[in-house]
Amino acid sequence: EVQLVESGGNLVQPGGSLRLSCAASGFIFSSYWMHWVRQAPGKGLVWVSRISIDGSSTSYADSVKGRFTISRDNAENTLYLQMNSLRAEDTAVYYCGRDAFGWGLDVWGQGTTVTVSS
Amino acid sequence: QSALTQPASVSGSPGQSITISCTGTSSDVGSYNLVSWYQHHPGKAPKLMIYEVNKRPSGVSNRFSGSKSGNTASLTISGLQAEDEADYYCCSYAGSSTGVFGTGTEVFVL
Repeated sequence: EVQLVESGGNLVQPGGSLRLSCAASGFIFSSYWMHWVRQAPGKGLVWVSRISIDGSSTSYADSVKGRFTISRDNAENTLYLQMNSLRAEDTAVYYCGRDAFGWGLDVWGQGTTVTVSS
Repeated sequence: QSALTQPASVSGSPGQSITISCTGTSSDVGSYNLVSWYQHHPGKAPKLMIYEVNKRPSGVSNRFSGSKSGNTASLTISGLQAEDEADYYCCSYAGSSTGVFGTGTEVFVL
């Protein structure tokens, strides 16, 4: 079964750090670009970041650039999002998604919740 | 990276057709045929309904169709069913390897 499972979400204080993971199974992980997308409480989906199949190319939304780092370990079939200098506005459910169609994300995880609060 | 503009809600009766608009700019929707649409039931994983403006992934009902004119993309749901009630989001490539989602539309089946 093709599956993505996020983990690592937690309650963290403003200014703190957190690393999210997204474990892939059921497909050749190293063949797909991958994304992170988030949804703040009561708000819509927001694109966060994207990484190429070998990790050599990354891109970020302006709101997280310089604070978040996307990476991947193709040997472990895992996608990561390192989040530093966290702010209250980073509070959200974070989803990872598989890009199968050129910005068409055909497989998504169930999400992991990040809460930034003192 | 301003969000694409969608109507907050659209409603229709069972069997009717509805259309959700997604308005961007010449820097995103207007420049690329990389518009996708997602169905999202709260608490669940989003589901890809349309990619590259008008293509349907395997398994998605042909009641869902997409189109684009200028800076505005559209998703049409024909033969509306109760199970179609959900939030719908468009997404477009916005250049420089970045993307942008729409503001989201709640679809109500009356």
